[in-house]
Amino acid sequence: GQNIDQPTEMTATEGAIVQINCTYQTSGFNGLFWYQQHAGEAPTFLSYNVLDGLEEKGRFSSFLSRSKGYSYLLLKELQMKDSASYLCAPWGASGGSYIPTFGRGTSLIVHP
Amino acid sequence: NAGVTQTPKFQVLKTGQSMTLQCAQDMNHEYMSWYRQDPGMGLRLIHYSVGAGITDQGEVPNGYNVSRSTTEDFPLRLLSAAPSQTSVYFCASSAGEGWYFGPGTRLTVT
Repeated sequence: GQNIDQPTEMTATEGAIVQINCTYQTSGFNGLFWYQQHAGEAPTFLSYNVLDGLEEKGRFSSFLSRSKGYSYLLLKELQMKDSASYLCAPWGASGGSYIPTFGRGTSLIVHP
Repeated sequence: NAGVTQTPKFQVLKTGQSMTLQCAQDMNHEYMSWYRQDPGMGLRLIHYSVGAGITDQGEVPNGYNVSRSTTEDFPLRLLSAAPSQTSVYFCASSAGEGWYFGPGTRLTVT
């Protein structure tokens, strides 16, 4: 597998910034996705990193360091609706060259 | 576009019964996959396809079959249902830069 490691749970305050870290096994690595999943719903695509550096998309940004096997998702100006599970999903070695392997997710709780 | 659709939304089976979970996409995506999601386990890959006529096994393929006769459809067959197959099943498709998930099928095997 990809040995994906991300924190199980995080809490943050509305309006704040939170960073969710993810480490993974680098063998065969090609790229990494981040997904958001609200309870009882399907995962929704947030971001896609292939090269080192930061990809910004509105309030959400994702960073990748290929050599360190490290990524993070940065959420700015947190809103209550951002309370969800965030899934780190590298792709490459496991399950075919483009098929992602999902971590267990980080449950983010945003409180007023 | 409807995106990725899955039927049924909910299903209860008895041990030993067989059934097919349907998945269709109207985005002309070459890649399709099936995952199951269990509490505390995350999403685990069952089978995937990189194009019509081509399928391969994922992490947890035992007890499931797939076929891909068209680009649009990727059904998942449970051969003889077991309580361990109680789960939420997600189908997903991709054209290359992100995977798009269907709404899921919640399956209970008693």
